[in-house]
Amino acid sequence: DIVMTQSSLSLPVTPGEPASISCRSSQSLLHGNGNTYLDWYLQKPGQSPQLLIYLVSNRASGVPDRFSGSGSGTDFTLQISRVEAEDVGVYYCMQALQTPLTFGGGTKVEIK
Amino acid sequence: QVQLQQSGPGLVKASQTLSLTCAIAGDSVSTINGAWHWIRQSPSRGLEWLGRTYYNSKKWVYDYGGSVKSRITINPDTSKNQFSLHLNSVSPEDTAIYYCARTHSRGWSWYNGMDVWGQGTTVTVSS
Repeated sequence: DIVMTQSSLSLPVTPGEPASISCRSSQSLLHGNGNTYLDWYLQKPGQSPQLLIYLVSNRASGVPDRFSGSGSGTDFTLQISRVEAEDVGVYYCMQALQTPLTFGGGTKVEIK
Repeated sequence: QVQLQQSGPGLVKASQTLSLTCAIAGDSVSTINGAWHWIRQSPSRGLEWLGRTYYNSKKWVYDYGGSVKSRITINPDTSKNQFSLHLNSVSPEDTAIYYCARTHSRGWSWYNGMDVWGQGTTVTVSS
């Protein structure tokens, strides 16, 4: 199984400031078709996870452009250019290259 | 707009079968442009993918996760446009919030992520 590791369990942030969350996979998520199968999800308190980013850097429908994703191979980053209060929650990376699909342990973003 | 509505009991006795249903609105369970998943979440295991089903080349495909592989069945129901999860021989370790979800994709041709999730069902397994 591919192991997804998010090194930070918690990330206190100041509204208006940038934030960065990292994720590492135990093997490359690059498929032979050229796509890298890494997604980012946000789980707000009391809600189901919601898709933010797919294939490393593609924002899902309705996701604000302050969210961006980058990375390649085994190292990935989710960036929030200016954190807003509504961005609090737990952020998860997930690999969709092979089954079983696997998730990182999550990074909890909270306002300072 | 695609929506998933989950239903099923919130309490199951140990050794019995956990059964949940996910009703689909705005899409078809037999679409060639997606797959239908079950995922669970618990403090000890985090988010754990359990399995998926999808329709491809005129047949149904099933993939299951390692930790539950011997106990899980996912069934699509085209007549009701829904899919179900059956997990047998449950124990208190299966206590979790269970989610159904859709990935919007067509094989390896294109992929748009796990873009629709159900509301979640909290299932407690009593010993």
